Amino acid sequence: GAVVSQHPSRVICKSGTSVKIECRSLDFQATTMFWYRQFPKQSLMLMATSNEGSKATYEQGVEKDKFLINHASLTLSTLTVTSAHPEDSSFYICSAPGVVGVGHTEAFFGQGTRLTVV
Amino acid sequence: SQELEQSPQSLIVQEGKNLTINCTSSKTLYGLYWYKQKYGEGLIFLMMLQKGGEEKSHEKITAKLDEKKQQSSLHITASQPSHAGIYLCGADPLQGAQKLVFGQGTRLTINP
Repeated sequence: GAVVSQHPSRVICKSGTSVKIECRSLDFQATTMFWYRQFPKQSLMLMATSNEGSKATYEQGVEKDKFLINHASLTLSTLTVTSAHPEDSSFYICSAPGVVGVGHTEAFFGQGTRLTVV
Repeated sequence: SQELEQSPQSLIVQEGKNLTINCTSSKTLYGLYWYKQKYGEGLIFLMMLQKGGEEKSHEKITAKLDEKKQQSSLHITASQPSHAGIYLCGADPLQGAQKLVFGQGTRLTINP
């Protein structure tokens, strides 16, 4: 099946620094990718939709200047957490839609990135 | 907006026992997804249901969608330690965009 690769899987950074998380579709093209965040013992919450060739769209309450999204190509979306603070520590995970048209397949998720800001 | 409520929030069962996890939607479900997650790791796709009354099975896991398409259940038969994890139901409010809304999750523990 289709694979979405997310990197890094874990990162620890100092408060005030920026961290970039990459999400790649390995064997298919993804014009759209979704970014989710998951706090401990909570569910996944959609943060933003990454669109190849255009600006990302953010969910209500998500700061677009803090969470920079770039969809540079049909196989790569990046999320940069700028000026990270301890409250940004969370599990971030991306997904790409499956094939739409014939049938309806599942969204493909990356492995996730655990960000710890110290 | 669509909201999903999962129950129970946590579940501890003895190995070999059966169990059921429920997912109730505030709106009619277009696509209902079940995923399994080990804490802090990625999601493993289990099943997707679309039609009212639909039922799918994979190994010892069966998922059902009710006729009204507002409730789904996930049933595990003869549970094993490998079934332990967090089970998430997800809905696709935009009907095909796969921009999912998730329930809060059910944490399943299997005691040997």
